[in-house]
Amino acid sequence: SQTIHQWPATLVQPVGSPLSLECTVEGTSNPNLYWYRQAAGRGLQLLFYSVGIGQISSEVPQNLSASRPQDRQFILSSKKLLLSDSGFYLCAWSWEGEAFFGQGTRLTVV
Amino acid sequence: QQPVQSPQAVILREGEDAVINCSSSKALYSVHWYRQKHGEAPVFLMILLKGGEQKGHEKISASFNEKKQQSSLYLTASQLSYSGTYFCGTEIYGGSQGNLIFGKGTKLSVKP
Repeated sequence: SQTIHQWPATLVQPVGSPLSLECTVEGTSNPNLYWYRQAAGRGLQLLFYSVGIGQISSEVPQNLSASRPQDRQFILSSKKLLLSDSGFYLCAWSWEGEAFFGQGTRLTVV
Repeated sequence: QQPVQSPQAVILREGEDAVINCSSSKALYSVHWYRQKHGEAPVFLMILLKGGEQKGHEKISASFNEKKQQSSLYLTASQLSYSGTYFCGTEIYGGSQGNLIFGKGTKLSVKP
């Protein structure tokens, strides 16, 4: 069966520090992978999606970046975090129109 | 292109019914419904692909109108466990598969 792992579950980082969130998928190959962010009281916002290794599409210009070094690995990064980067980050993969989410990372930038 | 959800929030007593709507200005390829408990990842409820489609079961069901621009989620005889935020996610024609754009959510609170 397919599973998705996302870590860490919670993270508190100071402003200006770097960020690296990792997501891996098991049980499937060549999945479409996504990073979403949910700010407090707001809906899910698509940040990046990838249809294959090294292929990244950005939906929202900001100080975040994403990389896909392996077929089932998706990484969300930042060189310098801003206060506005706080939120709940979700990794997801999709197959035949259905999306499956990781458990999320709650990021607090202080 | 973000779908519009309504209402933004609803408070129910156990056993009452609720309807959550999701509308788009353009015809959609599909509509997905998710429920999210506070601090947890969204959980998939169902997907609708065909105009005029209705699916689900007795307690939670959804419809997709003929023009494929509007979907409604029906919660019947609500239970405490139904509390959470409901999101519709939409796929547009010509977009990447699985590239869902989510509405802002509808917060549902079921009280005893």
